[in-house]
Formats: sequence, C-alpha cells, structure tokens
Amino acid sequence: ETGVTQSPTHLIKTRGQQVTLRCSSQSGHNTVSWYQQALGQGPQFIFQYYREEENGRGNFPPRFSGLQFPNYSSELNVNALELDDSALYLCASSRPTPSGDGYTFGSGTRLTVV
Amino acid sequence: AQSVAQPEDQVNVAEGNPLTVKCTYSVSGNPYLFWYVQYPNRGLQFLLKYITGDNLVKGSYGFEAEFNKSQTSFHLKKPSALVSDSALYFCAVREGGYNKLIFGAGTRLAVHP
Repeated sequence: ETGVTQSPTHLIKTRGQQVTLRCSSQSGHNTVSWYQQALGQGPQFIFQYYREEENGRGNFPPRFSGLQFPNYSSELNVNALELDDSALYLCASSRPTPSGDGYTFGSGTRLTVV
Repeated sequence: AQSVAQPEDQVNVAEGNPLTVKCTYSVSGNPYLFWYVQYPNRGLQFLLKYITGDNLVKGSYGFEAEFNKSQTSFHLKKPSALVSDSALYFCAVREGGYNKLIFGAGTRLAVHP
C-alpha cells in the first residue's frame, strides 16, 4: 500500500504571497488532517477533511484554508503569508474510525517565508 | 481541553541501557494516547497507541508504553536502547469525536555508543 505523499518538499515564499501545499492520502484512508510544526515545537492541528468537507478546525485564522478531492487527496492554502508561517507542514491520513486508528503522516513540506 | 506534557526536553542514555521517555496527559473521559517518532527532515512515524485494554502496549521497533490511569501517565520504554533510536519523540492524545491529535512539545532522545 502507498503511504502519504506531500509536495513540494521545500518552498520559499515572500511575505504577503499565497501558497498551496498538496497531499495524497494513503490507500484506503478517506480522512485527511493538516498540522503545522514550528521549529522546536510539536505539531499543531490546523484542520481535518472528511468526504470533501472540513469537519474540525484548530486555532488558525481563515487565511488557512483547504480542499479535499473525490480521490481523498487534499490541498492546504495559505493566503497573505506571514513570517511566522514558516514551519514544516504535515499531512496525515486515516480512516474515520471512532477508536482513532493510526494516522499515517507524510514527510512534510518545509515552508520558509522571507 | 485535552493536553499532554513531556517534561523532559532531552533524554540521554547509553546504548544497551533501558530508556524511558515520559508523558503525562489531561483528558476528560477515556484517553486515546499515541507515541510518534520523528527523524531529521522526516514526518512522524507511528510507534504505538493505547485505546483500551492492557496497560502495557507493545509497538514498533521494540518500544512499549505503560498506561497508568492513577498517575495520568503514558511513558514510552525500551529495554535496550540503540544508537539508531536517537530521534525526536512525541506523545499525543486524540481530542473530540474526530481525529484531531494534540501533541506534546517533544523529547529528544540521544543514545550514545
């Protein structure tokens, strides 16, 4: 079975620009979550998508938005980039089981905002 | 709100010695607890989880974790550390009815030859 793949692996953007990060979920997983991991910190939950709808959101402003497609792949969009948005962005896919089955994480996209 | 705490920024252990990475949690209701490992420039790799059942959970790469309800702890353990175990370890708890994970700040494990 394939794992979670994210693209691009690295990205440099200028403050005020917009960015789109992409994620392909693991085969059989229909739920995708996005996390932001700032340097030296644990991952912070941004939001989750299930059946192409956002069904949970963390403490992130509306300029963080997402999409999920019929094939369960997903995008994270960030508008009006700020320097503090520099981080590793992780995508995780899972099955929506009540017991919280294991989550499979991608290797992440390292975003640097200058 | 759910939370986890990893009280140690770094743990140092000699190769071959047992290791423990500590985690305490605060949840309402039954906790769903996880351990993940992160190698440099990589995503998170699942090690093990506690949902219900035996308090001693066995996971990948020889790791195990002990769930202690009275102490609200979920410490990660391994009987004999390897240099290749050196990495960043995260404890996490699931929050809510969907798959949101709340992570601790992480503990860097350094295993010395």
